[in-house]
Amino acid sequence: KQEVTQIPAALSVPEGENLVLNCSFTDSAIYNLQWFRQDPGKGLTSLLLIQSSQREQTSGRLNASLDKSSGRSTLYIAASQPGDSATYLCAVTHAGGTSYGKLTFGQGTILTVHP
Amino acid sequence: DTEVTQTPKHLVMGMTNKKSLKCEQHMGHRAMYWYKQKAKKPPELMFVYSYEKLSINESVPSRFSPECPNSSLLNLHLHALQPEDSALYLCASSHYPGPYNEQFFGPGTRLTVL
Repeated sequence: KQEVTQIPAALSVPEGENLVLNCSFTDSAIYNLQWFRQDPGKGLTSLLLIQSSQREQTSGRLNASLDKSSGRSTLYIAASQPGDSATYLCAVTHAGGTSYGKLTFGQGTILTVHP
Repeated sequence: DTEVTQTPKHLVMGMTNKKSLKCEQHMGHRAMYWYKQKAKKPPELMFVYSYEKLSINESVPSRFSPECPNSSLLNLHLHALQPEDSALYLCASSHYPGPYNEQFFGPGTRLTVL
């Protein structure tokens, strides 16, 4: 059974810092990995999607890397801002069985960026 | 139109009520999903519709009944719910079903069962 773990569970940083969020998964047979942002009580906003054949994706101040063989992904946020405060979730899509294409989520990292 | 919309935003219902949640997307996506998210937990998949047909049911109790009337619309009918069903219900869609496609989420419906 695929398990996804995110470390740290919570992170508080001053504005302007560069930071790294970590995601690991137990089964390397994935098709892709998605990073999401969720503001309190809101839906999920897709940040980046990395296909299993890719090593990284970039969007603005965000950069996500994927090392499929070791079962790890990192989300790098440059020059953090208070508006980046949210919960960040990673999710993997794996194949097989009755859950073909199912997203399995980590527990999330709660990020607080203070001015 | 590049978003998934959900109505209502909030819903309070008693255990004997029947209500429905609605989800719409006009991006031409052919796969739609229902997720349930309890407080401080990640979303959990409930149902997947592929080309308007139910393709995945993650052993969800029958008091939740999904419906996909057309390719743009997804409903979740609720009947005889329990207080533990209170949660944020999220709808998502993707261009096609299957594992290679990015999923786009709506804002969710916050459901409270009294």
